[in-house]
Amino acid sequence: KAGVTQTPRYLIKTRGQQVTLSCSPISGHRSVSWYQQTPGQGLQFLFEYFSETQRNKGNFPGRFSGRQFSNSRSEMNVSTLELGDSALYLCASSSRLAGNTGELFFGEGSRLTVL
Amino acid sequence: AQSVAQPEDQVNVAEGNPLTVKCTYSVSGNPYLFWYVQYPNRGLQFLLKYITGDNLVKGSYGFEAEFNKSQTSFHLKKPSALVSDSALYFCAVRDGAGNTPLVFGKGTRLSVIA
Repeated sequence: KAGVTQTPRYLIKTRGQQVTLSCSPISGHRSVSWYQQTPGQGLQFLFEYFSETQRNKGNFPGRFSGRQFSNSRSEMNVSTLELGDSALYLCASSSRLAGNTGELFFGEGSRLTVL
Repeated sequence: AQSVAQPEDQVNVAEGNPLTVKCTYSVSGNPYLFWYVQYPNRGLQFLLKYITGDNLVKGSYGFEAEFNKSQTSFHLKKPSALVSDSALYFCAVRDGAGNTPLVFGKGTRLSVIA
């Protein structure tokens, strides 16, 4: 069974640009969560989608947005990039809504560098 | 709101010695507790979880964790550390009372020295 796939793995952008990251969950998983990982802050929750609906949202500015498609694939977008957005963005899927007892399965992440 | 604290940024242990990585949590309802491990340039891998039942939970690669409700702790342990255990370890908690996301601690870097 294929794992969680995130693309691109690495990307470099400049301030003010926007970026779109993609995540394909494990087949059959309908819940997708996104996290931002930085050395100082650890993992910060961005948002969670289940069946194309955003179910939870973290404390990030409106520049961060996401969506989920009918095939459960998810994208997140960051507009007007700032230097502080440089981070590893991790996607995780689970078989049910994340507010349950199941563990999350993580992709390897998309490492964004903003210059 | 739930939260997790991992009081040690770094833990160093000699190969063959027991290791402990500490975690304390705060939730309103019943805690669902998880440990994950991250190797360099990789995503997080699930190690073990506590939902209910026996306070001692056994997981992958010989790791175990003990749930202590009175101390609101969920420390990760292994009887004999391996150099290959060197990685970044994350504790996470979800409030079982509601539909809330999984919240992670800031991570503890474990270094096992040969």
